[in-house]
Amino acid sequence: GIQVEQSPPDLILQEGANSTLRCNFSDSVNNLQWFHQNPWGQLINLFYIPSGTKQNGRLSATTVATERYSLLYISSSQTTDSGVYFCAVEERDTGNQFYFGTGTSLTVIP
Amino acid sequence: EAEVAQSPRYKITEKSQAVAFWCDPISGHATLYWYRQILGQGPELLVQFQDESVVDDSQLPKDRFSAERLKGVDSTLKIQPAELGDSAMYLCASSSQGWGSSYNEQFFGPGTRLTVL
Repeated sequence: GIQVEQSPPDLILQEGANSTLRCNFSDSVNNLQWFHQNPWGQLINLFYIPSGTKQNGRLSATTVATERYSLLYISSSQTTDSGVYFCAVEERDTGNQFYFGTGTSLTVIP
Repeated sequence: EAEVAQSPRYKITEKSQAVAFWCDPISGHATLYWYRQILGQGPELLVQFQDESVVDDSQLPKDRFSAERLKGVDSTLKIQPAELGDSAMYLCASSSQGWGSSYNEQFFGPGTRLTVL
C-alpha cells in the first residue's frame, strides 16, 4: 500500500505562533483529508483537499498532487489547537481504501 | 448536523470474552469503514463495506474478528475471543461515495475505546 509520512512528529508552540505541518505520500492519490484528533479520540474533519488550496479561518491547506505532498497551515495558534493532526490519502485504483500517516502531535502553550 | 453514531463509547473486558461494537453511519452514506487505532499510531483499516457488501477485509484478523452490515445501513464489529493485544480505539467512518464517483470524504464517529484485561 501507499506510504504516508507526516512531519514533524511533535511540535510545541507558544500561543499566537504559526506552524506548517507536512504530509508526503508515495504514490498517486484520488483524495486527501486532514483531520484533528481531539483529546477524546474523535477525528474532526478539517479539509477535504485532493488538490489545490482551501482556507477555513486560521487554518489553510494546500495539496500538490503531482509532487505528492500536502501542507496544513495553522496561524495564530490557540491552546484549543492542541492535539494530533492526521492526513489520510485514498490510493488511486485500489478500491477506495484510505491510508493514514502517523500524525503530528501539536501542543500549544499559553 | 448528521453524525456517525457508535456504541459503546468505552468497553472493558477480560481476555477470552466476546465483545461487539455498533456503528450507525450518516443517513444515505453507502460506504462504511471500521478502523483500529493503537495508541500513538494512525488508524488502520479493518474492513470496508459498500452498501451490504464487503469491499476490503484484507486486514481483518478473521480468526477472531467478524463484521456485518446486513441491511446496508448500520454495522456490527465483533471480537471473539478478545486478546490483550486488541486493546485499542475502534473507529467507524462513513462516506457518501457511490460507484463511479471520485468524491469520497470520510466522516468519523466518536469511537469505542476497548481495554482487554
